[in-house]
Amino acid sequence: DTAVSQTPKYLVTQMGNDKSIKCEQNLGHDTMYWYKQDSKKFLKIMFSYNNKELIINETVPNRFSPKSPDKAHLNLHINSLELGDSAVYFCASSLAGGPKNIQYFGAGTRLSVL
Amino acid sequence: DAKTTQPPSMDCAEGRAANLPCNHSTISGNEYVYWYRQIHSQGPQYIIHGLKNNETNEMASLIITEDRKSSTLILPHATLRDTAVYYCIVRVAGTGKLIFGQGTTLQVKP
Repeated sequence: DTAVSQTPKYLVTQMGNDKSIKCEQNLGHDTMYWYKQDSKKFLKIMFSYNNKELIINETVPNRFSPKSPDKAHLNLHINSLELGDSAVYFCASSLAGGPKNIQYFGAGTRLSVL
Repeated sequence: DAKTTQPPSMDCAEGRAANLPCNHSTISGNEYVYWYRQIHSQGPQYIIHGLKNNETNEMASLIITEDRKSSTLILPHATLRDTAVYYCIVRVAGTGKLIFGQGTTLQVKP
């Protein structure tokens, strides 16, 4: 059983389109994250939700809108896709509080904007 | 910006210990050091973390200097499957925010 699963694994689309990436975790965690890894392989946090509430919101264009319908799901919707959005997007989850806060990552969604 | 600096790359012979250094000279007293790795085309994987004491688990050992300004991740018997990018991260206190730096690309060679 995959702990943190993302769909789709690959996404190829045209500039200007709107697309969504879904993430689900079955670890019973209360916090979920979205990270972006660009072509230079730098991993940067974008958003974090704790119990469906947004707690981290980095300087991300407002074309990106995360949505957390429940603690086990965090989806990422992207409007008006641009070439620079091409990257690998990783979802992660953790149990907040305490020193551990170990984050478990999904396998990633490779987004290519043409 | 990442609060850590690591060498960009290292080689290690299969079966030998791999020692990956990390500097975090501006670390605060309540900030933990985490190590993750990313095998090609996979998501990052947690390895180990510590505050000030040395730590060991089934994957690795973490040695933190007394002044906490640097640490070393030790993979005791590296295998080819340990070839990956290794990230040393200081977790921002009171948050779940992990700020990844460039990491060290470890190449384990036969």
